[in-house]
Amino acid sequence: DSGVTQTPKHLITATGQRVTLRCSPRSGDLSVYWYQQSLDQGLQFLIQYYNGEERAKGNILERFSAQQFPDLHSELNLSSLELGDSALYFCASSVEDAGKLFFGSGTQLSVL
Amino acid sequence: GENVEQHPSTLSVQEGDSAVIKCTYSDSASNYFPWYKQELGKGPQLIIDIRSNVGEKKDQRIAVTLNKTAKHFSLHITETQPEDSAVYFCAATRSGGSYIPTFGRGTSLIVHP
Repeated sequence: DSGVTQTPKHLITATGQRVTLRCSPRSGDLSVYWYQQSLDQGLQFLIQYYNGEERAKGNILERFSAQQFPDLHSELNLSSLELGDSALYFCASSVEDAGKLFFGSGTQLSVL
Repeated sequence: GENVEQHPSTLSVQEGDSAVIKCTYSDSASNYFPWYKQELGKGPQLIIDIRSNVGEKKDQRIAVTLNKTAKHFSLHITETQPEDSAVYFCAATRSGGSYIPTFGRGTSLIVHP
């Protein structure tokens, strides 16, 4: 168990809908990262938050947004969903060193 | 930005054989190279890492080597066991601050009993 909690584990929704994925980092970790994993794209970095502030942005679509709350949990919001958004979404946390990431078990999103 | 290439994409071995996964990176400023193992239905887990000031690191049956000049690093698993079957990812980054690890595309290792 990595100590990173992600909910829900599975999410099935329809095109055009909006969903929220939730992540609780390991106790003491200030950084939260969101990754998208699909079969043909590997692990794609979306966005990083550090102690409530956005710190780095990757290949995140404008339809996607995230935030980190004062208690350090984070939410990833995906809107106007398309079939191509179907993927496994991972949250990871770290104390400071960006290389040592601790991943949650992911949310499997299926857009039908 | 950093670009990480990982080979092979699939590796099939017999139990007891060795397995080697290779990665190359493009950014000469990268100085931290972690390896992650992802089992079915789980998130990636860090299994070993190496920093640019060393050339090799071992932890029981797994080892990682780094060639800074050639900008490549490799994961070596000896005496493979069926429980080693998983997807392995290499990554490269600069440690600290807002540097984000760039991951390779993964290697699916299958160990046949």
